[in-house]
Order: sequence, then C-alpha cells, then structure tokens
Amino acid sequence: AQKITQTQPGMFVQEKEAVTLDCTYDTSDQSYGLFWYKQPSSGEMIFLIYQGSYDEQNATEGRYSLNFQKARKSANLVISASQLGDSAMYFCAMRTGGGNKLTFGTGTQLKVEL
Amino acid sequence: DSGVTQTPKHLITATGQRVTLRCSPRSGDLSVYWYQQSLDQGLQFLIHYYNGEERAKGNILERFSAQQFPDLHSELNLSSLELGDSALYFCASSVDPRNEQFFGPGTRLTVL
Repeated sequence: AQKITQTQPGMFVQEKEAVTLDCTYDTSDQSYGLFWYKQPSSGEMIFLIYQGSYDEQNATEGRYSLNFQKARKSANLVISASQLGDSAMYFCAMRTGGGNKLTFGTGTQLKVEL
Repeated sequence: DSGVTQTPKHLITATGQRVTLRCSPRSGDLSVYWYQQSLDQGLQFLIHYYNGEERAKGNILERFSAQQFPDLHSELNLSSLELGDSALYFCASSVDPRNEQFFGPGTRLTVL
C-alpha cells in the first residue's frame, strides 16, 4: 500500500527566510511521481511542483524546489524567500504505477510571519 | 485559475437527500478524478474516469456514483445523504493519468 507521511502539523517561518516542509513516502512501485500542492484558506488546491521517480535532478519551479532523496524515500519541499502569501496548508502526494489516483499526506500548515 | 470548473460552489441540504456535483475538466484533459476532503479523513480519492470510462475506484461509498459524459464533463451523485458526508468535494483533471492533476475550486457540501 502507498503511504505519505508529513510529520509537521504546523510550521512558522519569518518573511524572506527559507523553509523546508518534510515528506516521506512508502511504496513498492519502481515508477511513481511525487507532488506538492498548496491549499490557501480559500480552499482551492494549487499544484506547485512534480518529481518523477526516475528524474535524476531535483525539480524546481520558481521559489519552490523539491529535495528528492530516493534512498531515504523523502521528497521535501523547500520554499525560498518566504512571502506572507505563502501562508497555507501544504500537501505532499504520490502517484504510483497506473496513475489512477493521488495519495495525500495529512498536510503541514505553514504560517509566514513579519 | 486551474481551468477546472465545479458547480455549485456551496450546497446545503438535509439528511436523506440526493445531490449532484458537476465538474468540467481543463480543455484537452481526458482524465477526471473526484476527491473528498473532510476533517477526520483528510483528502481521499473517490473515483477516476478516463475518456468516459471508469478506471479506478477508491473509498467511494455505494450511495455515491459518478459518470463522465461524451463532452468529458463529469458528475458526482451523492444519495441518501448523512451528516458525515459533509465535506469539500474536489474534481481534478489531467491530460494523462501520469501527469499532474489540476484541481477545481471544490464544492462545499453541508448536510444538516
């Protein structure tokens, strides 16, 4: 069975600092994808970044980067230069094999402070 | 704006009733997924359709059903509603099951 674990229920970071949100995963599949989504208080789910299991380089999208450590089964999200608008719930998710669904973690609530 | 539309945005109904949630995927996306987000269960996959055919079922109750129409829009039907069905229901779409899924704004269902 596939499982995503996010051990940080809540995080605080000061504006302009970098923050790392942890995500570990468990799967026996060789082919899988890892995703991060942002959910602001308004409720929508916003796709941030994707890492494929065979990608050799860590994914980056603007201020977001994914620190992919395959042997440790971790896919941490790094947000550089945090902004007040980054305050939201962040979900790590995994797609495996047939790609029919995403399995989500429980999320990390990030609060960016002045 | 992800390009995925969902209607209605909010729905308030009573126990025992039936409701239909509607989703239009992004232009060109053949896959539609439904998810339920509740406080106690988190984000749970319900069902996946690809080009009109059901591809996978997750934790979807027998009281719930879905379909994808030839124009690729999808509907999720929830019947005999219970208090515990109150949740945020998301539709997502992707061009291919292996690609990232883009989520609609969700339908917030409240069962009283």
